[in-house]
Amino acid sequence: QSVLTQPPSASGTPGQRVSISCSGSNSNIGSSPVNWYQHLPGTAPKLLIYDTTQRPSGVPDRFSGSKSGTSASLAISGLQSDDEADYYCSVWDESLNGPVFGGGTKLTVL
Amino acid sequence: QVQLQESGPGLVKPSETLSVTCTVSGDSIRSTNYYWAWIRQPPGKGLEWIGSIFYSGTTYYNPSLKSRVTISIDTSKKHFSLRLSSVTASDTAVYYCARESITTPGNPVDYWGQGSLLTVSS
Repeated sequence: QSVLTQPPSASGTPGQRVSISCSGSNSNIGSSPVNWYQHLPGTAPKLLIYDTTQRPSGVPDRFSGSKSGTSASLAISGLQSDDEADYYCSVWDESLNGPVFGGGTKLTVL
Repeated sequence: QVQLQESGPGLVKPSETLSVTCTVSGDSIRSTNYYWAWIRQPPGKGLEWIGSIFYSGTTYYNPSLKSRVTISIDTSKKHFSLRLSSVTASDTAVYYCARESITTPGNPVDYWGQGSLLTVSS
């Protein structure tokens, strides 16, 4: 049972905009920046969004993050076939001194 | 460009100790800007943080694993290591080493290794 709750799956067609949610509580998302990771099985996970809305260098602006209260969202616009991957939200947990992750959302591009 | 590479035995017997090492290249393992972390993913499940270490040797562990985990660092060899004792089948997972940026808001894990599959089986 993950501390952060994500839908297990999401889907969209090429060119479409999709959104993936991440639900938490006042002690995590409600009080900390949110990070998002993209993971293709068999490869190293990739940091996609940090500090809730910031993109690392090299990440296209098709990817965007937001937060409201105890929920966060990752939006992907102009969906492409190589966006098909697993996506994880994460926040730094002050009590753990480490990150906690959502259960992951498998994105399928139809 | 930072690169992290895990190396492990692949197969560990139940009740034994699992050991994995991560070699860091392209960056200073002695940097004060980062923690070095272990994160795992059991088959078909999500990511779980195991613990982290600072270059000085200061460690933080996930309370759920703390009694069985030891993370160490050897800055001269540019590597850090994970030992997990008394393993069971539930410890079967892909083990990732990673870098946490502690000077960036939200402490993102900004670089990951490719992962090392460790299977617990007799």
